Amino acid sequence: QSVLTQPPSVSGAPGQRVTISCTGSSSNIGAGSDVHWYQQLPGTAPKLLIYGNFNRPSGVPDRFSGSKSGTSASLAISGLQAEDEADYYCQAYDTTLTGSVFGGGTKLTVL
Amino acid sequence: QVHLQESGPGLVKPSETLSLTCAVSGYSISSGYYWAWIRQPPGKGLEWIATIYHGGTTYYNPSLKSRVTISVDTSNNRFSLKLNSVTAADTAVYYCARRYTGYEGLYFDFWGQGALVTVSA
Repeated sequence: QSVLTQPPSVSGAPGQRVTISCTGSSSNIGAGSDVHWYQQLPGTAPKLLIYGNFNRPSGVPDRFSGSKSGTSASLAISGLQAEDEADYYCQAYDTTLTGSVFGGGTKLTVL
Repeated sequence: QVHLQESGPGLVKPSETLSLTCAVSGYSISSGYYWAWIRQPPGKGLEWIATIYHGGTTYYNPSLKSRVTISVDTSNNRFSLKLNSVTAADTAVYYCARRYTGYEGLYFDFWGQGALVTVSA
């Protein structure tokens, strides 16, 4: 059971827009912790996708966007492409655990 | 560009100690940042294990704290993980990563490729 809750899977057709939710609690996202997102392509290490709730590292397309409100955050992917098929993880800092916590991951399937 | 590379035995016997090292290139650990270990059991999600600052300050996941030691070797620009009394539940891909700490929060900006460690007799 992960501290941050994500849907196990989402899917969409090429060109469509999908969103992935990340729900936390008053000890992490609700406490003001920033939320970060990682993309993990099959067989590879996670890659930073979004940091500080909505910032994109250099090289990440603007099709990827992040937001945060209350105890939840969301990752949106617009203009879906086949290469977006991957697992996506959210991450925050938990004040009770005094450490980083991850969501359980969401598998994105491009139909 | 920062590069991290994990190394260590791929097979560890139950009750023994898992030892991994992360070699860092492209950045001097002594210059700052925090350095972390994260693991991922086969087919499962990510779990933060421990973090260390170049000065030696350490932070551990409470669920693993009693079995884990993280250390840093600034002279060789690397850091290490020891996990003792391992069981099959510790079988996972172990990643080392650099942790950014700043205005935008705490996040892992560079990752190693990962090292699969299997616990089996």
